Amino acid sequence: SYELTQPPSVSVSPGQTARITCSGDALPKKYAYWYQQKSGQAPVLVIYEDNKRPSGIPERLSGSSSGTMATLTISGAQVEDEADYYCYSIDSSGNYWVFGGGTKLTVL
Amino acid sequence: EVHLVESGGGLVQPGGSLRLSCAASGFTFSDHYMDWVRQAPGKGLEWVGRIRNKANNYTTQYAASVKGKFSISRDDSKNSLYLQMNSLKTEDTAVYYCARETYSGSYFVDYWGQGTLVTVSS
Repeated sequence: SYELTQPPSVSVSPGQTARITCSGDALPKKYAYWYQQKSGQAPVLVIYEDNKRPSGIPERLSGSSSGTMATLTISGAQVEDEADYYCYSIDSSGNYWVFGGGTKLTVL
Repeated sequence: EVHLVESGGGLVQPGGSLRLSCAASGFTFSDHYMDWVRQAPGKGLEWVGRIRNKANNYTTQYAASVKGKFSISRDDSKNSLYLQMNSLKTEDTAVYYCARETYSGSYFVDYWGQGTLVTVSS
């Protein structure tokens, strides 16, 4: 079965740049999407189609994708960015959606 | 404003069944594909399955872990999504989220409900 691999945790100081990666064999041909989930809350879409930002999402969150890796970048991370972040994509057949294992971002 | 409200969660014994519902409002429900996603306590998100719209024959797709056990349906006249879960096991214990897909060059989940907790235990 298809898998997306993320680092379990990333830690940065306030104001620093945080980068969260997501690797998957189908990513060269399939979009990556990113969701932010704060403790006790439902996920929120923060990046779609590799690098597009929904309205209301701060500009400091950005996405990119190259080859088999997609990256979520948080420039000038703030304490309120602390959350779990999940990448999401579809397998090469186009039939099965998969989430990465999630990355816990700590900003302190 | 898009609003998704799940209901029907609770405690069920192993081997039992449960039907979850999701009431949608704030958008044209019949136009959209809809998904179920679950999250076991302290774990990550797991895609459960999706149902397409009428224009795409209400076709369904399921994760391998639930195929043959779970069934997704919808009633566009009631703006409602359903998840029928059979032969439940302790590993099916999770918060179950209803989610809307949108289309913008590709299909993807853009809105989520707040979830309903299903606990499978004797």
